[in-house]
Amino acid sequence: AQSVAQPEDQVNVAEGNPLTVKCTYSVSGNPYLFWYVQYPNRGLQFLLKYITGDNLVKGSYGFEAEFNKSQTSFHLKKPSALVSDSALYFCAANDYNTNAGKSTFGDGTTLTVKP
Amino acid sequence: NAGVMQNPRHLVRRRGQEARLRCSPMKGHSHVYWYRQLPEEGLKFMVYLQKENIIDESGMPKERFSAEFPKEGPSILRIQQVVRGDSAAYFCASSRNRVEYFGPGTRLTVT
Repeated sequence: AQSVAQPEDQVNVAEGNPLTVKCTYSVSGNPYLFWYVQYPNRGLQFLLKYITGDNLVKGSYGFEAEFNKSQTSFHLKKPSALVSDSALYFCAANDYNTNAGKSTFGDGTTLTVKP
Repeated sequence: NAGVMQNPRHLVRRRGQEARLRCSPMKGHSHVYWYRQLPEEGLKFMVYLQKENIIDESGMPKERFSAEFPKEGPSILRIQQVVRGDSAAYFCASSRNRVEYFGPGTRLTVT
């Protein structure tokens, strides 16, 4: 069975500071990893994905994530946070080789960026 | 290029009534996934469908819940005899190139 853990319910950063939202995963085969953002009363918006290739993945709105196979982590990062980045962030994992496209989501991390 | 469409956006049902949630995938997508998000929780997979086929329904409750994706028309998630515990946001996604694109969700409230 696959699982995703987001160890922090809340992350608070000051505007202009770097941010990190943590994610670790457990997938039996080769992992497909994703980050999504959810604004209040909205659906999820895709930010970025890792399937293969470079461990550092760049996505929308200046976000990036680093795939670390030995630590089974896929932390989301941004060099300089904006107040408008405040939202709920979800990490998701899938093993498309065996799991027919069914993603497992973490419980989410609420990011608050203060001016 | 319209995204994933879901309707209604908000649905209020009394206990015991039926709820029907609709999802139209993005143009050219033939895979549909339904997820449920309970208050203060993440998304939980419910069912994965292709046209006229249920591929994986391992996340569906055994009773009262059903899903279909007919040859023509939207995918339907049907909840019979709703209970208060069914109150949640229900999200539909369609996929292409291993990425799932989500609709805005239907927020079901059972009173």
